[in-house]
Amino acid sequence: GQQVQQSPSSLVLQEGENAELQCNFSSTATQLQWFYQSPGGSLVSLLSNPSGTKHTGRLTSTTVTKERRSSLHISSSQTTDSGTYLCAIDTGGADRLTFGKGTQLIIQP
Amino acid sequence: GALVYQYPRRTICKSGTSMRMECQAVGFQATSVAWYRQSPQKTFELIALSTVNSAIKYEQNFTQEKFPISHPNLSFSSMTVLNAYLEDRGLYLCGARRDRVAGQLYFGEGSKLTVL
Repeated sequence: GQQVQQSPSSLVLQEGENAELQCNFSSTATQLQWFYQSPGGSLVSLLSNPSGTKHTGRLTSTTVTKERRSSLHISSSQTTDSGTYLCAIDTGGADRLTFGKGTQLIIQP
Repeated sequence: GALVYQYPRRTICKSGTSMRMECQAVGFQATSVAWYRQSPQKTFELIALSTVNSAIKYEQNFTQEKFPISHPNLSFSSMTVLNAYLEDRGLYLCGARRDRVAGQLYFGEGSKLTVL
């Protein structure tokens, strides 16, 4: 089945530093979403980016479809960015997502 | 914006009892809703896909008899966990597909189920 691997599994940075998160997947994805999961469990959709580069605020996602990888760049990190970042791709329908195990990001003041 | 509310946020129930959770889309029309479960080990499983006016499609290992879903209109869906046991523990998330915006799911805050 479809596999999604995220790296690193955890990342500790100082406030103000940039974060780079990676997502690799085993087969072609027609849809790819990055999510933020708060410690309480809420899932927030950050970016939908099946190909190319997208920006929103301090977030930049770059997906290279033929290489089956995507990255999420967080610039000027803040303590409130701490949490788990999940990459998810579709497996045959826009609602059928396969999730990676996430990257736990800790931003220290 | 697209918002999805789930209720309740947390439930503690005894083994063998049932729990009903609700999912409300606010600010958009949710023509399809996907119900997921995140296990205590943080892995995600798709339970079922629900589309208004279409049959609900359950994934392998999940059945209508155990997880009945109601999706009566474009803004509301509910799912019940019947006869809950320890293996049903986890965070249940509903993801709503925003009409006319292909490919993006918006999730609620989740309903956490603890079974004693």
